[in-house]
Amino acid sequence: NAGVTQTPKFQVLKTGQSMTLQCAQDMNHEYMSWYRQDPGMGLRLIHYSVGAGITDQGEVPNGYNVSRSTTEDFPLRLLSAAPSQTSVYFCASSYGLKGEAAGYTFGSGTRLTVV
Amino acid sequence: GNSVTQMEGPVTLSEEAFLTINCTYTATGYPSPFWYVQYPGEGLQLLLKATKADDKGSNKGFEATYRKETTSFHLEKGSVQVSDSAVYFCALSENEKLTFGTGTRLTIIP
Repeated sequence: NAGVTQTPKFQVLKTGQSMTLQCAQDMNHEYMSWYRQDPGMGLRLIHYSVGAGITDQGEVPNGYNVSRSTTEDFPLRLLSAAPSQTSVYFCASSYGLKGEAAGYTFGSGTRLTVV
Repeated sequence: GNSVTQMEGPVTLSEEAFLTINCTYTATGYPSPFWYVQYPGEGLQLLLKATKADDKGSNKGFEATYRKETTSFHLEKGSVQVSDSAVYFCALSENEKLTFGTGTRLTIIP
């Protein structure tokens, strides 16, 4: 029962490099989201998707791209890494709005450091 | 947009003490409140939730009542254990988008 799987767990990038954080879920969830967690700021929504082929911006989308070609996968791309993107990134999924907020299942996170 | 204000930590309690972590919110629509818990080195886990006014969510000895009149969803536990040491996040869900509070770090001393 894998749930939400994120890779890698840790990554160090140099300023200006690009990379993709991977997220996969095996629960057939419609909704998937990316959050970043910074000290004293809780978690902030970067991008989200309500189904395959549909994505939208969250609170802090600048510097990040997403796509959702399948129900299972929701990768997050950093186009040109900056030190301000040093953070812990969480992917989460939910079965979607069905009359009751189900709550999200979270991955274990990717700790990214940009130097 | 929605916003969540929760009690700032860190909070340190002795084992078997009573716990309250306050959470209040402002919202434009009709959100559902949640509590998530994050144990060291792990992702967030859903602790409990409520879907309508005066609903009481409960799990693992924790409880929270959704009070619409005071826009609050305070977390309580009657007798905490060392294993409850973690960071607790209050959150609002609207259209399956979550808005989080800043988190409260709880440490329980034996």
